[in-house]
Formats: sequence, structure tokens, C-alpha cells
Amino acid sequence: DAGVIQSPRHEVTEMGQEVTLRCKPISGHDYLFWYRQTMMRGLELLIYFNNNVPIDDSGMPEDRFSAKMPNASFSTLKIQPSEPRDSAVYFCASSSVPGGEGKNIQYFGAGTRLSVL
Amino acid sequence: GIQVEQSPPDLILQEGANSTLRCNFSDSVNNLQWFHQNPWGQLINLFYIPSGTKQNGRLSATTVATERYSLLYISSSQTTDSGVYFCAVDYKLSFGAGTTVTVRA
Repeated sequence: DAGVIQSPRHEVTEMGQEVTLRCKPISGHDYLFWYRQTMMRGLELLIYFNNNVPIDDSGMPEDRFSAKMPNASFSTLKIQPSEPRDSAVYFCASSSVPGGEGKNIQYFGAGTRLSVL
Repeated sequence: GIQVEQSPPDLILQEGANSTLRCNFSDSVNNLQWFHQNPWGQLINLFYIPSGTKQNGRLSATTVATERYSLLYISSSQTTDSGVYFCAVDYKLSFGAGTTVTVRA
């Protein structure tokens, strides 16, 4: 498997523009997670899905952020409108059904580095 | 949420040296992972270790779940070991702040 695939790898946009980040999880994984990494706050969970259904979005910073998972092989994280403080690296991760040795392991994509000017 | 503390925050090593990184967590957990974030920003899985001891080459890890800590051992360090090492716990992965390791040739 190619692992978790994120696109784009880098995104530079201007304040006020809409930004869409994309993620393809590992085939067969039922859980998908979106994380954000900043210098100030470190790595923090934004939202996660189970079987394409959002389970916990308590980490989503505000209404400008939204995430969808229309099918088992694709998820998006959208920011509209974007602001300079949204600049960060956004990671997507996936895992299989938890439980049992080795199953509850999250595998991360390479991340999307977002710069909002 | 569960608090995760890592120490030391920074570590500078001479190539060939051994080191120990520590992760303390505030509550019982059924999931603990160690990651290495390389200089290119990629998060690499090192260990899934909610309890017990595991070894992978020059790296090994031990988690004492009853005492709420985990240790990552790096032996015979190499320059390629440089980067940030993260401990993360719980199913939703609460991350520590990381230990930045610099290995000098």
C-alpha cells in the first residue's frame, strides 16, 4: 500500500480565500484523523471519522473549518475563509479497527504545509 | 484530556552515544505510540507500545503502564537519528511536546 496520501504538499494562499486539503487513507482502514501542527500548540487532533461518519469534531477551532468524508477512500478539510493564523502543517492519519495487538496504530501522511498570507 | 510530558526537551549527542527519552502521562492508557519526525517533517511510526518492551534495531522502548511512563532508548546514535521524537497516547493520540534530538558527527 502507498500509505496515507495527502495533497497538496504545500499550499500558499491569501487571507480570505478558501482552502481545501485532501486525504486518501490506507485501504481497509476504518478510522481517519485530521491533525494540525503549529509551533505554539504542537500536534493537536481536529476531527476523526469512523466508517466515513464524523465522531468527534471537538478539536475543530471554529466554524470556518469543516471536514467531510464522502467515501472510504477520500476526505477533505476545508477552511473558508482562511486567516494567517491558520498557517500550519495539517496531517491526515488512518487506522484500522482498534483492538488487539498492532491494530490500533495510526499511520500518518506526509502533511500539507499551509501558508496564509 | 490526558496530559503528556516529554523530557528532556532538547538533546545533543555525539555520534555513537546512547540516550534515553522519557514520556510521562497523567492517566491510564490503552494506546501509546512513539514517532520520529524527520527534518522533512514526516512522522514515522517507531513503536506501538501500550505496555511492555519492544526492540527494533538500535531503538527500543519500554512502557510501564501502572506507573504511567514510557522510555525510548537510542543506542549507537547516528546523524540520521536527528529530528523530533514524539510520544502520543490514547486512541485519539494526545501528543507530548516532543524531544528534539541532534546527533553530531
